[in-house]
Amino acid sequence: KNQVEQSPQSLIILEGKNCTLQCNYTVSPFSNLRWYKQDTGRGPVSLTIMTFSENTKSNGRYTATLDADTKQSSLHITASQLSDSASYICVVNAGNTGKLIFGQGTTLQVKP
Amino acid sequence: EAGVAQSPRYKIIEKRQSVAFWCNPISGHATLYWYQQILGQGPKLLIQFQNNGVVDDSQLPKDRFSAERLKGVDSTLKIQPAKLEDSAVYLCASSFTGLREGQFFGPGTRLTVL
Repeated sequence: KNQVEQSPQSLIILEGKNCTLQCNYTVSPFSNLRWYKQDTGRGPVSLTIMTFSENTKSNGRYTATLDADTKQSSLHITASQLSDSASYICVVNAGNTGKLIFGQGTTLQVKP
Repeated sequence: EAGVAQSPRYKIIEKRQSVAFWCNPISGHATLYWYQQILGQGPKLLIQFQNNGVVDDSQLPKDRFSAERLKGVDSTLKIQPAKLEDSAVYLCASSFTGLREGQFFGPGTRLTVL
């Protein structure tokens, strides 16, 4: 069964600290993996997209990694800011079907 | 470039009433999606259109939900009659043909069913 699981479910960190969010998937065949940021009351916004051959991709203070062998991805946030408070959703594209499999999201709260 | 537009942003109705949501995708995007996002969960695909044809509606509760995209641009999603468990955010997204180019989401419509 195609599944995407994220951990932790929620996370609280202090402003300026780093954090790492995890995404494990069992989607096959794999096409690509995206990380989205969803602010409260808004739709998700894409942060990064990675294909099978890409191990890491950065977008400012956000760095995503992908290990296609272990089917794991992580999103690392450096020097967190209050505006990073949001839900972060991992989404895997199941290649042939074109279906997107969504994780349940990790809710991050950055406190001053 | 204008984003995906949705209206209304918020809607409160009583159970058994009807409600409709509207979505205007990014210009030129052939594919349009409607998602249901229950609080604390990831979005769940309800229906996917390619132009004005339905590609996937396997998770659409067809006894009460309907959607159309008559001219291949705007789309409406209707719930009739609404149930308490329909309380959620309804997200519209669009993309060029296929998904490699990325999917862009609208702000969503938050529905509360009392």
